[in-house]
Amino acid sequence: NAGVMQNPRHLVRRRGQEARLRCSPMKGHSHVYWYRQLPEEGLKFMVYLQKENIIDESGMPKERFSAEFPKEGPSILRIQQVVRGDSAAYFCASSEMVVRFTNYGYTFGSGTRLTVV
Amino acid sequence: KQEVTQIPAALSVPEGENLVLNCSFTDSAIYNLQWFRQDPGKGLTSLLLIQSSQREQTSGRLNASLDKSSGRSTLYIAASQPGDSATYLCAVSGEGGSEKLVFGKGMKLTVNP
Repeated sequence: NAGVMQNPRHLVRRRGQEARLRCSPMKGHSHVYWYRQLPEEGLKFMVYLQKENIIDESGMPKERFSAEFPKEGPSILRIQQVVRGDSAAYFCASSEMVVRFTNYGYTFGSGTRLTVV
Repeated sequence: KQEVTQIPAALSVPEGENLVLNCSFTDSAIYNLQWFRQDPGKGLTSLLLIQSSQREQTSGRLNASLDKSSGRSTLYIAASQPGDSATYLCAVSGEGGSEKLVFGKGMKLTVNP
């Protein structure tokens, strides 16, 4: 089991470009969560998805950010017209089911470090 | 609004010491609490998960306790080693009935040989 796979590991974008971050959950996991870690700050929740559905997007900025988790393929976090303040580490986590009913918790990927120049 | 606090922000100790890492949260209505470690430039590694109905969990040299009513958790690390050097993060879920994790800012641990 390869774990939660995120790519790319590092991404550099110029201001105004689009950034696409991909997350493949662990095999058998249908719940995906995205978190952002800004420099010198803690991790902040962005969005929670199940296959083809957004369950909770209360942490997503209202503009420029979107997420999807299609029936086939990885989950995608998309940032349009990036600005310097979007520079951060973006982490994806997955779980087999709702975590409060498991003994395993969330499994995190290694993250994508986005730098906007 | 749930807030998670980890104090101190950093700790430096000699090898071999038994350590106590503290985590406090403001809203006791949690589903569970999870401890993670994060190495520089890397992702998060799950250490222990404690469901709200549990009092403690153990894994090797690690033991985590949960006192939900007082909003506190403690991570014990026995016989610390240089390889334990990392940032330790505490996170809780359940805010507003949500599965999302609310994280503390972490505690940076350095174990000196």
